[in-house]
Amino acid sequence: EPEVTQTPSHQVTQMGQEVILRCVPISNHLYFYWYRQILGQKVEFLVSFYNNEISEKSEIFDDQFSVERPDGSNFTLKIRSTKLEDSAMYFCASRSGISTDTQYFGPGTRLTVL
Amino acid sequence: AQKVTQAQTEISVVEKEDVTLDCVYETRDTTYYLFWYKQPPSGELVFLIRRNSFDEQNEISGRYSWNFQKSTSSFNFTITASQVVDSAVYFCALSPLNAGNNRKLIWGLGTSLAVNP
Repeated sequence: EPEVTQTPSHQVTQMGQEVILRCVPISNHLYFYWYRQILGQKVEFLVSFYNNEISEKSEIFDDQFSVERPDGSNFTLKIRSTKLEDSAMYFCASRSGISTDTQYFGPGTRLTVL
Repeated sequence: AQKVTQAQTEISVVEKEDVTLDCVYETRDTTYYLFWYKQPPSGELVFLIRRNSFDEQNEISGRYSWNFQKSTSSFNFTITASQVVDSAVYFCALSPLNAGNNRKLIWGLGTSLAVNP
């Protein structure tokens, strides 16, 4: 069964460093999402992406964040200058957009900013 | 406003008990989807069910059942004869079908279920 994959599973970085979180959505899916979950809290929407552009972003998704689909298979989330409060689990999701509205999630990347 | 409320923060039951997880939602959209996801201790988000706002039929899948009541804006989830493996955090989520096909998910705070042997 196809699944969303994410790498790395855990990333530790120093405050102020740039990080790139990678996701491979399910092939033939058209809609892509990033969510984050601060430890013990609810899941929060960050950004959605369709047709090679951002379709919606939340207030959390400020200028420090960017997303890209560089090669037709990967979907990346970049944080330019990490802050302590960026420490969270980051989930990628994809949705086919055809006959189903279910978002399927990857296993997550745990980002720890020191 | 779009909002999902899961009033039960934590529930603890003994194996084989039935347990119901509550979910109440708010939306002005007439068309929307409701979801339940399970987050086991390993951390991933596992899709359980999607329900369309036009379909109020209750659904049963094995030991799991869902009760969707539009009149009370509730989408409750019942686990019958709970097992230790059901221990997880369960999230209810809302996807309003607003213009633009974005379909972002709006999440509740989750209910942490502990099933004890």
